[in-house]
Order: sequence, then structure tokens, then C-alpha cells
Amino acid sequence: EPEVTQTPSHQVTQMGQEVILRCVPISNHLYFYWYRQILGQKVEFLVSFYNNEISEKSEIFDDQFSVERPDGSNFTLKIRSTKLEDSAMYFCASSVSGTSGSPQYFGPGTRLTVL
Amino acid sequence: RKEVEQDPGPFNVPEGATVAFNCTYSNSASQSFFWYRQDCRKEPKLLMSVYSSGNEDGRFTAQLNRASQYISLLIRDSKLSDSATYLCVVTSIKAAGNKLTFGGGTRVLVKP
Repeated sequence: EPEVTQTPSHQVTQMGQEVILRCVPISNHLYFYWYRQILGQKVEFLVSFYNNEISEKSEIFDDQFSVERPDGSNFTLKIRSTKLEDSAMYFCASSVSGTSGSPQYFGPGTRLTVL
Repeated sequence: RKEVEQDPGPFNVPEGATVAFNCTYSNSASQSFFWYRQDCRKEPKLLMSVYSSGNEDGRFTAQLNRASQYISLLIRDSKLSDSATYLCVVTSIKAAGNKLTFGGGTRVLVKP
């Protein structure tokens, strides 16, 4: 069964450093997403991406965040200057289509720890 | 008011019993509805979509009540492996984006 994969599984960084989280969506999916989950809190939407453009982004997704599809398989989330409050689990997801009924499938996540 | 509200639980369920819980949503424009399950420190996994007429998938039954803006999940013949947090998820009508809005989850503990 096709799966979304994410690397690394755990990233530890110092405050102010840049981090890049990587995802490989399911191969025939065209819509990609990033979500985050702070420990003990609910899953929160960050950004959706289609056809090399951001479709929608949340208030959390400020100028410190960016996304990119550098090649035909990877989808990345970059945080330019990490803050302590960026510590969270970051999930990548993908879906076949962008209609609201199209289920999204999640990767195993990257646990980001900012010290 | 939270967009998607769930009773956090935990619901302690004897193995083999039936458990049911609801989720309410505030946006009447909500279009699609899902139940995901999440094991501790793992990713959300799609359990089932929720259709207007209600739907069943094995031991799981989901219902949607648009008038009262809630969805429900019923688990029959609970197994130990059903222990997890169940996430209620909604999307709204939008031209692009397909953002999922999550509830805080309902924790279910199935005990022997």
C-alpha cells in the first residue's frame, strides 16, 4: 500500500537555526499539505500546495515558513529561523484531488525539537 | 466557540462492548466529514469518511446530522486494538486548499 514518507523522524535544532523537513507524497497524488501538532494539542493546518503554488495557508504559516517541491517526488517545509514554540510534530499529507471529500493521507511525522 | 469540539474522554470500554461518541462543528458551511484515529505519538490515520446517509465499515458506524451539526462514531464489539484517540475532522467549501480542521480527539481505552 502506497504511503507518505517523511525524513528525518526527529530533528533537534538550536533556536534561530534553519530546518528543512522532507516528505515524499504518494506518487499519484497531486495535492500536498503540512500540518503540525504541538504535544498534547490538536492537529493544526499549516499550508496546502498544488501545481507548484500555495493554495491556502493558515495564520501560523508566516514569513518564516516556506514550502517547495524541488523535484518530482519531494515536498519540503523550511523554517528559516526556528523559535522555541516551533517545537512540534510536523505531518505531511497528500490527496489525489483537492475536492473537500478527497481524503488526505498522512506521513509518520517529523518531531522537531527547538532548544 | 471551537470549530470542532469533542469530548476528550477517556471512554473506558470493556472488550466486546459498544461505545459511541459525538463531535460537534460550528461552521454550517462544513462540507465533508471524516473520522481519523491517532495512536500515541503517531500520525492520524483515516478511519472512514462520513456520508450524509450514514455509513458503516465493519464494526464502525458513522452518522451525520447536518441540522444539529454533529457527527457520531459507534464502535461495536470493541477490540483491545481499538484503543486510540479518535479525531473528528471537517472540511469547508472552498475553491482551493481543502484544509482539514481537526477536533481535539476522543480517547478510547478498551480493557480486557
